[in-house]
Amino acid sequence: EAGVTQSPTHLIKTRGQQATLRCSPISGHTSVYWYQQALGLGLQFLLWYDEGEERNRGNFPPRFSGRQFPNYSSELNVNALELEDSALYLCASSLEPGSFYEQYFGPGTRLTVT
Amino acid sequence: GENVEQHPSTLSVQEGDSAVIKCTYSDSASNYFPWYKQELGKGPQLIIDIRSNVGEKKDQRIAVTLNKTAKHFSLHITETQPEDSAVYFCAASTEGGGADGLTFGKGTHLIIQP
Repeated sequence: EAGVTQSPTHLIKTRGQQATLRCSPISGHTSVYWYQQALGLGLQFLLWYDEGEERNRGNFPPRFSGRQFPNYSSELNVNALELEDSALYLCASSLEPGSFYEQYFGPGTRLTVT
Repeated sequence: GENVEQHPSTLSVQEGDSAVIKCTYSDSASNYFPWYKQELGKGPQLIIDIRSNVGEKKDQRIAVTLNKTAKHFSLHITETQPEDSAVYFCAASTEGGGADGLTFGKGTHLIIQP
């Protein structure tokens, strides 16, 4: 069974630009979560999508947004990039909605903002 | 919101010895506690989890214990092997509380000395 996949592996952007990151969940999983793993800050919850709807978001500004497509894949958009947005962005999926259920992570997208 | 503290930040043990990583949480409503292993350049891998209706769970060399009264839980790895070297994260969440996703500890860098 294929795991969670993310693309691209690495992304280099300039401050002020926009970044788009993509995630494909495990087949059959309908919930997708996005996390930011910045150096020294650990993993922080960003967004949760289930059945095409944004269910909730963490303590991040509105320039972090995304969507979930009918095939349950998801996209994370970061507008007006700032230097501190440099981090590993991880996507996870679960079979059932809600963080009470097992979440399986992808390998991440390393975003570097210069 | 939930806050998870994890100790130690670095743990070095001799191959074959046991390793223990401890976490405390703040929200008494939390009832799901997964542990993840993250190797360099990879996403976190779910290795074991426990729900609040049990006090201990074991899977081969790995075990997790939960003390709800004291609000702490621990990961125990016995007979450590070189491939156990990685960063380990504990996390907590609440059933029906997908609101905040998983709340992670800051991680423990486990080093297995040959």
